[in-house]
This record gives sequence, C-alpha cells and structure tokens, in this order.
Amino acid sequence: SQQGEEDPQALSIQEGENATMNCSYKTSINNLQWYRQNSGRGLVHLILIRSNEREKHSGRLRVTLDTSKKSSSLLITASRAADTASYFCATTDFGNEKLTFGTGTRLTIIP
Amino acid sequence: KAGVTQTPRYLIKTRGQQVTLSCSPISGHRSVSWYQQTPGQGLQFLFEYFSETQRNKGNFPGRFSGRQFSNSRSEMNVSTLELGDSALYLCASSGESGRYGYTFGSGTRLTVV
Repeated sequence: SQQGEEDPQALSIQEGENATMNCSYKTSINNLQWYRQNSGRGLVHLILIRSNEREKHSGRLRVTLDTSKKSSSLLITASRAADTASYFCATTDFGNEKLTFGTGTRLTIIP
Repeated sequence: KAGVTQTPRYLIKTRGQQVTLSCSPISGHRSVSWYQQTPGQGLQFLFEYFSETQRNKGNFPGRFSGRQFSNSRSEMNVSTLELGDSALYLCASSGESGRYGYTFGSGTRLTVV
C-alpha cells in the first residue's frame, strides 16, 4: 500500500524556474527519501532526510520535513530540461528498512 | 564501481508460466530489495534479503518468492503468472540497511500475455 500522496500529480514549468513538490505520509518514520525516475527506468536516489532533521540541501535540491504535519517538500531550483522526470518520496519505519513510496509527481521542464 | 544489474531487461511470458528475474547488487552491498511498479498500484515492496535471509516481506501472494545467494546476488520467481503481474520489477541494493538510501537497477519489464 502507498504511504501517502504527492502533490501535485503533474507539474509543468519553464526552464530556469523553481519546482516545488510536496509529499504527505501517514505513519511515524525513520527517514524520508526522494527519488527520481526517468521514463519508466530505475529510480535514482536524490536525498535522504532523517526524522530529527528539518531541512537538507544537496546542490540545487532543498528538502524540508515537518514531522508534526507528516509532510515533506522537495524544491528544485533553476530547473533544467534534464530535470524532466517523475519524482517519488519514500519513507522507512524504525526497525524496518523497506521503502514505502508515495504516488509521485511528474515534472516537465519546458525549454 | 558497477551499479545494480538486473537481467533480463525485457520479458514476455504467457499466463500460467513461471519466470525468474535476476539482480546483482553493488559489490559489498548485502541488502537486496525487490519492488513492483504498475500504473495502478504504483511502487510496491515485495521483499528484502540480507545475508541470504529474507528480512521483510510485502503483501504479495505466495506465487512471488525470492532468494539471495552467498555472493549477495538475488533472484525473484513468480509462478503461475497472471495478466496482472505485468509490471516493471525493480531491484535495489544498499550497504547499511538503507541508512544512506538505496541504489536501484534499471528494472525488468515483464509482460504477461
């Protein structure tokens, strides 16, 4: 079963703009991870944030986590055509390392 | 460093047959997990193996099984295939129980006709 929802389901923006996607989950978590998937291929790990962290940066990526609201957001700054992909959040529980995925956001960057 | 290798990339099987998919994790990774991705159900966890032992199992029928060998390579088997088993099957490996995230293979696209 899915852990939660991602919002929006689809997002189209102009190249150079910032893209924000949100993830909500249902249960307590150990960590939350974001993955990118290009055209039905494998998933690429982008960033991991632990339950005791509130914000994390990696290059053009910024992730926030609000455990009181059971939500996370992924911000991609200065978007590029190569960022076109589906983005998934995934959570793990304490003592159980399986990933429980959200429904995904399909991001399209318009050149 | 080689990535996670899944074979075959594409597979077409007939309903009722069985299939075996293979996954070679990153060298040194002892945890291998399997996921099923379909348009309707999204990404669903199948099972996880660590040092040849199944550590976690998702909510899939007994037709789905797996194993891990001493070199950490893993196989998953689906018996008595159904049309609904058509999916992208993804394998992921990690070093320390996914503490730093997982590395996924490119997947095996299974079509059941």
